Amino acid sequence: AQTVTQSQPEMSVQEAETVTLSCTYDTSENNYYLFWYKQPPSRQMILVIRQEAYKQQNATENRFSVNFQKAAKSFSLKISDSQLGDTAMYFCAFMNGDNNNDMRFGAGTRLTVKP
Amino acid sequence: GAGVSQSPSNKVTEKGKDVELRCDPISGHTALYWYRQRLGQGLEFLIYFQGNSAPDKSGLPSDRFSAERTGESVSTLTIQRTQQEDSAVYLCASSLSVVVASGRALSNNEQFFGPGTRLTVL
Repeated sequence: AQTVTQSQPEMSVQEAETVTLSCTYDTSENNYYLFWYKQPPSRQMILVIRQEAYKQQNATENRFSVNFQKAAKSFSLKISDSQLGDTAMYFCAFMNGDNNNDMRFGAGTRLTVKP
Repeated sequence: GAGVSQSPSNKVTEKGKDVELRCDPISGHTALYWYRQRLGQGLEFLIYFQGNSAPDKSGLPSDRFSAERTGESVSTLTIQRTQQEDSAVYLCASSLSVVVASGRALSNNEQFFGPGTRLTVL
């Protein structure tokens, strides 16, 4: 079974600074996808960034980037130039590439961006 | 292009009553997922639909929980004889599926989430 671990229940960062949220996962699969989702107080889950396991290049979406270390099974999210609107719960997720109904989420990290 | 919608947005019920939660996926999305999110916790997978069939019901916590989907569209999650432990936000997500030559259906891997239904059992 796949498990996803987010070891930081809460984090805070000053506006305009950089923060890194960590995520590790455990799997014996070789074909999979990794995601970071953001859940603001509105409850709406929003996809932030995704990474295909077969790609060596780290995914980047504007201020969001990941550090994907496949051998270490680590998938951290870096938020640069943090903005107040980045305040939310962030969930790391794993999806089995051969069985797409198998998707596991971490327990989440609550990020607060301070003015 | 409406997104995934869920109704009601909030539901308060008494212990022992039955509740029905509804999910309207994005039009054309054949894969549909239900998750439960307890307060301050991550998402717990409940059930997955591919079209109208549910190949994976392994996440349903008890036989009080059931779900159906019709017309490859709307899905309802029913909780019978609700208990206080059922209090949570229930999230629905949908995604596209592509049937490959082998006949296996694979999604394009992005799930689009609805806003959830907050269920409170008194």
